[in-house]
Amino acid sequence: EAGVAQSPRYKIIEKRQSVAFWCNPISGHATLYWYQQILGQGPKLLIQFQNNGVVDDSQLPKDRFSAERLKGVDSTLKIQPAKLEDSAVYLCASSNHEGGTYEQYFGPGTRLTVT
Amino acid sequence: RKEVEQDPGPFNVPEGATVAFNCTYSNSASQSFFWYRQDCRKEPKLLMSVYSSGNEDGRFTAQLNRASQYISLLIRDSKLSDSATYLCVVNRNYQLIWGAGTKLIIKP
Repeated sequence: EAGVAQSPRYKIIEKRQSVAFWCNPISGHATLYWYQQILGQGPKLLIQFQNNGVVDDSQLPKDRFSAERLKGVDSTLKIQPAKLEDSAVYLCASSNHEGGTYEQYFGPGTRLTVT
Repeated sequence: RKEVEQDPGPFNVPEGATVAFNCTYSNSASQSFFWYRQDCRKEPKLLMSVYSSGNEDGRFTAQLNRASQYISLLIRDSKLSDSATYLCVVNRNYQLIWGAGTKLIIKP
């Protein structure tokens, strides 16, 4: 079974530029998550989708971050414009809540550096 | 105060020793609990769920104390390959709240 795919793996941009990340979850997983992980910290949930609907985006900085999952499968996360403090690893995860399990499967992440 | 708190470590432990981590959570409505492992520059992976009665998986034992609102992870006979960051995760109303993680370094 293929895992969660993310691209790009690395991105370096200047502040005020825009950037987009892509995620393809495990086939059949209805729930998709985007996390931001700053070095030395745990993952911070940015947005959670159930199919193509948003379940939780309370920690998404909506003035600069946006995300979509139009067909309920793959998803994109965009930052526009980027700030220095956005430097982090952006992790995408998916899960299938059958049987009450909440195991999340993570992709390899996109390491963003804003200069 | 953070909703899920962990000692950041690092814990420097000799190979073969037993090491224990605690994690405290502040919201008594939390419903389920997990330990994830994250290797350096890698993504987190589920290590084990934590059940009310406590559960064991090989050298790993997880315990839950709802009255005191903490969970623990015990690693026996530690291996070099156990070196990683261990993240405590709490499920509250279908939201997963993550701790910052405890870094473990096993030394030969």
